[in-house]
Amino acid sequence: QSVLTQPPSASGTPGQRVTISCSGSSSNIGSNTVNWYQQLPGTAPKLLIYSNNQRPSGVPDRFSGSKSGTSASLAISGLQSEDEADYYCAAWDDSLNGSVVFGGGTKLTVL
Amino acid sequence: EVQLVESGGGLVQPGGSLRLSCAASGFTFSSYWMSWVRQAPGKGLEWVANIKQDGSEKYYVDSVKGRFTISRDNAKNSLYLQMNSLRAEDTAVYYCARVWEWLGEFDYWGQGTLVTVSS
Repeated sequence: QSVLTQPPSASGTPGQRVTISCSGSSSNIGSNTVNWYQQLPGTAPKLLIYSNNQRPSGVPDRFSGSKSGTSASLAISGLQSEDEADYYCAAWDDSLNGSVVFGGGTKLTVL
Repeated sequence: EVQLVESGGGLVQPGGSLRLSCAASGFTFSSYWMSWVRQAPGKGLEWVANIKQDGSEKYYVDSVKGRFTISRDNAKNSLYLQMNSLRAEDTAVYYCARVWEWLGEFDYWGQGTLVTVSS
């Protein structure tokens, strides 16, 4: 059971906007920034969003992140087939010294 | 170009040991925290351990404390994970990852190395 809670699955049709939620607590999301990782099938995870809402160079602006209190969300607009992947949220946790906690992951299916 | 290349995975019996390595290039290795993250087959990501730039601070997930040891050799631009008393539940792909800054993101990941613990 993961410390951060994500829905196990999400889906949308091409062009649609989908959001993935991530719920935590005061010791992790409530105290630290949230990062999101994308894992395409059979590949290593890749940083998608950092510091709640920042995109690394090369990440399309279709991807956006937000945080409020102890929850965060990832939004993908203009959904494309290549967005089909697993998405993970993560944050450092102050109650577990020097530790990072992940969400269980959300499998996004593009219908 | 930042590159992280893991090696050392394989099949090991329960109770056995294995040492993973991660060769870093394309950046000043000694300037960054580094981490190990694992993923059991068909499961999600789990952070395993962190190590400070000079190796003076190390942190572990509870399930591996006392069994795993993270270390680094800045002269060789290498990160290590010594895994002892391995259990079936340690079976996973192990990724090394660079930490951008304390409390920051894992900004680069290796391709992973598979560890299988089975008799």
